Amino acid sequence: EIVMTQSPATLSVSPGDRATLSCRASESVSSKLAWHQQKPGQAPRLLMYGASTRATGVPARFSGSGSGTEFTLTISSLQSEDFAVYYCQQYNNWPRFTFGQGTKLEIK
Amino acid sequence: EVQLLESGGGLVQPGGSLRLSCAASGFTFSDYAMSWVRQAPGKGLEWVSTISGSGGSTFYADSVRGRFTISRDNSNNTLYLQMNSLSAEDTAVYYCAKGGSGNSQVDYWGQGTLVTVSS
Repeated sequence: EIVMTQSPATLSVSPGDRATLSCRASESVSSKLAWHQQKPGQAPRLLMYGASTRATGVPARFSGSGSGTEFTLTISSLQSEDFAVYYCQQYNNWPRFTFGQGTKLEIK
Repeated sequence: EVQLLESGGGLVQPGGSLRLSCAASGFTFSDYAMSWVRQAPGKGLEWVSTISGSGGSTFYADSVRGRFTISRDNSNNTLYLQMNSLSAEDTAVYYCAKGGSGNSQVDYWGQGTLVTVSS
């Protein structure tokens, strides 16, 4: 099983600042890495796939990078609606998806 | 607009059974693999099972293999998960999830249905 590890577990950032979330895979997943956003009481929502391609309707302040085992999700200027939990998902070993444990982005 | 609407969750006793359904709309259902992903209270996301677009191939996490059965009815655009021999460890919100083009990531999620296993 490919283990996905996210860091940090919790990130405190002020609105308008930049946030950087990390995800590491236990083995290479090429660029088959997605990011999902989940707000309290809601279903997850796809943000990014192919490591760096924004899903439909996702604002340009979200960007993704990385390949192999190291990935980053960057939010350039945090808005109030961005405070949520973010999960990375590998699909290189489709369909045996594995998810990171999540990073909670909270208001500082 | 893609819509996925789960139903069938509820309270069940240990050892019991439950069948979840997911009604899909807004896309050509038979063209896409579909999955179930669960989230235990306060925990992260765990892949449970996937079925190919035709229904001819099914895949299960080790934690549910032999107890859960995924199926689909492409004529009625509905995904199912039959869950047997349930235990407390199966307590979670179960999400229906649509696969992207090819063998790729989840691109749409349903709102989820809560399954609680307790006596």
